[in-house]
Amino acid sequence: QQQVKQSPQSLIVQKGGISIINCAYENTAFDYFPWYQQFPGKGPALLIAIRPDVSEKKEGRFTISFNKSAKQFSLHIMDSQPGDSATYFCAASPLGQFYFGTGTSLTVIP
Amino acid sequence: KAGVTQTPRYLIKTRGQQVTLSCSPISGHRSVSWYQQTPGQGLQFLFEYFSETQRNKGNFPGRFSGRQFSNSRSEMNVSTLELGDSALYLCASSLGLGAEAFFGQGTRLTVV
Repeated sequence: QQQVKQSPQSLIVQKGGISIINCAYENTAFDYFPWYQQFPGKGPALLIAIRPDVSEKKEGRFTISFNKSAKQFSLHIMDSQPGDSATYFCAASPLGQFYFGTGTSLTVIP
Repeated sequence: KAGVTQTPRYLIKTRGQQVTLSCSPISGHRSVSWYQQTPGQGLQFLFEYFSETQRNKGNFPGRFSGRQFSNSRSEMNVSTLELGDSALYLCASSLGLGAEAFFGQGTRLTVV
């Protein structure tokens, strides 16, 4: 059973556009929601994370929107750049153990 | 500050053999978690150690085991390797429960 559902599986965006990746979860015990970026041959790198006591967190071009009642959270990448082309994973943690989404392959076209 | 270091980066083993992977966490981090990443199953949690104690364990067979040393370094062992164990094995370190987790580059294991 997939604890965290992520969509879309792949995404193609024009340079300068907005990339949006969505995740949903069921377990209300989850209390920490990070996003990771992974390039081929590399380990996942922590991008941005949020806790359920806030509805939005912004760091540079990256924003997490969190809807606690709907049990959904999303990553918005503003002004997407070709260098953002990577696989993005959402995750949720109830304390120490992370459950990951299946990943979104983002391609930003110049 | 050095990141999470995993060794070796690449391994090729034969079915039936055993393998040991190593992870050195970020200095000061006492929690180490292990994940298996495959194209089909994605990132799956293996186990988590904190101060030499296994606190959480994922749904993997007993052939997968681990340990953590007093300096927080961790090792993962897989015995009686199967072809399906071919994967990228990732280690993540953090200060503890609910803290940010940082991943290493991973060990690419190929079982032939």
